[in-house]
Amino acid sequence: AQTVTQSQPEMSVQEAETVTLSCTYDTSESDYYLFWYKQPPSRQMILVIRQEAYKQQNATENRFSVNFQKAAKSFSLKISDSQLGDAAMYFCAYRARPNNAGNMLTFGGGTRLMVKP
Amino acid sequence: DAGVIQSPRHEVTEMGQEVTLRCKPISGHDYLFWYRQTMMRGLELLIYFNNNVPIDDSGMPEDRFSAKMPNASFSTLKIQPSEPRDSAVYFCASSFRGLAGGHEQYFGPGTRLTVT
Repeated sequence: AQTVTQSQPEMSVQEAETVTLSCTYDTSESDYYLFWYKQPPSRQMILVIRQEAYKQQNATENRFSVNFQKAAKSFSLKISDSQLGDAAMYFCAYRARPNNAGNMLTFGGGTRLMVKP
Repeated sequence: DAGVIQSPRHEVTEMGQEVTLRCKPISGHDYLFWYRQTMMRGLELLIYFNNNVPIDDSGMPEDRFSAKMPNASFSTLKIQPSEPRDSAVYFCASSFRGLAGGHEQYFGPGTRLTVT
């Protein structure tokens, strides 16, 4: 079974600074997707960024980028120029490439990010 | 598109009562998921549907929980009878198996259920 681990329950960053959130996962699959979701106090789960395992290039979305290390099964999220609105819970999630085995997301336990003005 | 719609946003009920949570997925999406979020257990997948058919319900905690998807635009999650330990935020999500196979799941705003 796949597992996703986020070892940092809480992180804090100064506004305008850069912060990196860690995520590791365990799988025997060779092809899969990894995601970061943001959950602000409103509870809405918002997709931040997606990475396909077969792509060597790290995904980037504006101030958000990932460091995907497939051999190490590591998938960290870097937030540059942190803003107050980035304060939220961040969840790392894994999904095997869709096939007959299913289409389920496995989530990590989350990291609460606080942004200091 | 309006996104995934869930109702109600908040539900407070007494132990033993029946609770029905509702979800309208994004139009055109062929997968629908029900999740539960608690402090103790985090986000758990309860059940998911593909083309209105339940594919995996292994996450449903017990027989008190049931889910249906009578058509492509509507799903319900029912708890009967409800218990205080069912208190949680319940999320519905939907996705589409397009050619790119991306399958991003888009989440609704959640229903906060409190059972007293």
